[in-house]
Amino acid sequence: RKEVEQDPGPFNVPEGATVAFNCTYSNSASQSFFWYRQDCRKEPKLLMSVYSSGNEDGRFTAQLNRASQYISLLIRDSKLSDSATYLCVYPGGTSYGKLTFGQGTILTVHP
Amino acid sequence: NAGVMQNPRHLVRRRGQEARLRCSPMKGHSHVYWYRQLPEEGLKFMVYLQKENIIDESGMPKERFSAEFPKEGPSILRIQQVVRGDSAAYFCASSPVVANEKLFFGSGTQLSVL
Repeated sequence: RKEVEQDPGPFNVPEGATVAFNCTYSNSASQSFFWYRQDCRKEPKLLMSVYSSGNEDGRFTAQLNRASQYISLLIRDSKLSDSATYLCVYPGGTSYGKLTFGQGTILTVHP
Repeated sequence: NAGVMQNPRHLVRRRGQEARLRCSPMKGHSHVYWYRQLPEEGLKFMVYLQKENIIDESGMPKERFSAEFPKEGPSILRIQQVVRGDSAAYFCASSPVVANEKLFFGSGTQLSVL
């Protein structure tokens, strides 16, 4: 089983919609994750950290469900500029940047 | 403060040639990571280096690939005798400290092997 798995999508939503992605993970001891964003195979950029208490930043909310071993990303009031690939990332049990990236979920927001 | 600089942005090589990818970390960053992204796949960790030391190379293929981060100059990822399967985007990241959150990625080098 992969350490992190994502539905590759694509998700096609209209502007203003609310959309949510899930990512399942295999290591039950994991306590933190990240969501990264990648545009057109450019460099990935950190979007949010995800801890057991959850995290909210403007229109973006991330949650960690340890019982069911998944993390989620909720985007409210979608903008055209939100179109990107969203990567679920597991720190891999190290204190340094050895990250395990999911395959990514493609989001397209249309007018 | 310039970000992580990678060059070249695009590199074309014929099978059997050598590819050298360069990465200059952000100023003040002494930790460098290399990742590879094959077509239609997620990024995969290759190697973690600090100045003059390889800390974790568990993601590096056993043959043809090597990495260095000398005391002076950029980090280099070297691929000898490239094959078509090496075609991918290679991303470098740097961090100022040992941490898994404060990573800054470069724009990547797209390697195409003919």
